Amino acid sequence: AQTVTQSQPEMSVQEAETVTLSCTYDTSESNYYLFWYKQPPSRQMILVIRQEAYKQQNATENRFSVNFQKAAKSFSLKISDSQLGDTAMYFCAYDNAGGTSYGKLTFGQGTILTVHP
Amino acid sequence: NAGVMQNPRHLVRRRGQEARLRCSPMKGHSHVYWYRQLPEEGLKFMVYLQKENIIDESGMPKERFSAEFPKEGPSILRIQQVVRGDSAAYFCASSWGRDTSPAFFGQGTRLTVV
Repeated sequence: AQTVTQSQPEMSVQEAETVTLSCTYDTSESNYYLFWYKQPPSRQMILVIRQEAYKQQNATENRFSVNFQKAAKSFSLKISDSQLGDTAMYFCAYDNAGGTSYGKLTFGQGTILTVHP
Repeated sequence: NAGVMQNPRHLVRRRGQEARLRCSPMKGHSHVYWYRQLPEEGLKFMVYLQKENIIDESGMPKERFSAEFPKEGPSILRIQQVVRGDSAAYFCASSWGRDTSPAFFGQGTRLTVV
């Protein structure tokens, strides 16, 4: 079974600075997807960024980028120019959509990120 | 284009009552997933449904929990004889195909059992 581990329960950063959230995963599959989701206090799950395992290039979405290390099974999220609105719980998630698990997501435990003014 | 709609947003039930949680997927989506989020934890997969079919219910508790996604109408997650341990946020997600990750999430239903 796939597992996703986020080893940082809480992180904090000053506004406008950069922060990196860590995620490791375990799988025997070669083709899969990885995601970072943001959950603000409203509880809505918001997709931040997605990475396809067969792509070597790291995904980027505006201020958000990932460092995908397939051999190390590591998938960290870097947030540049942090903003107060980035304060939220962040979840790393794995999807073996190319296999037999029909697109269901396995989530990590989450990291609470607080951005200070 | 409305997103995934869940209702109610908040639901309070006494121990032993039944809870019904509803999920209307995005327009054109025929795949629905239910997840449960216990306090201070990540989301855990419960069940995956397509119209009129349960595809994967490997995350569903063996007793008291059931789910359906009829040909017409929303998907329903039903919890019979609720207990305090069922208190959690329940999220629904939908997609238009199994290879179209990621699914889009609703805002969740927070169930409180008193």
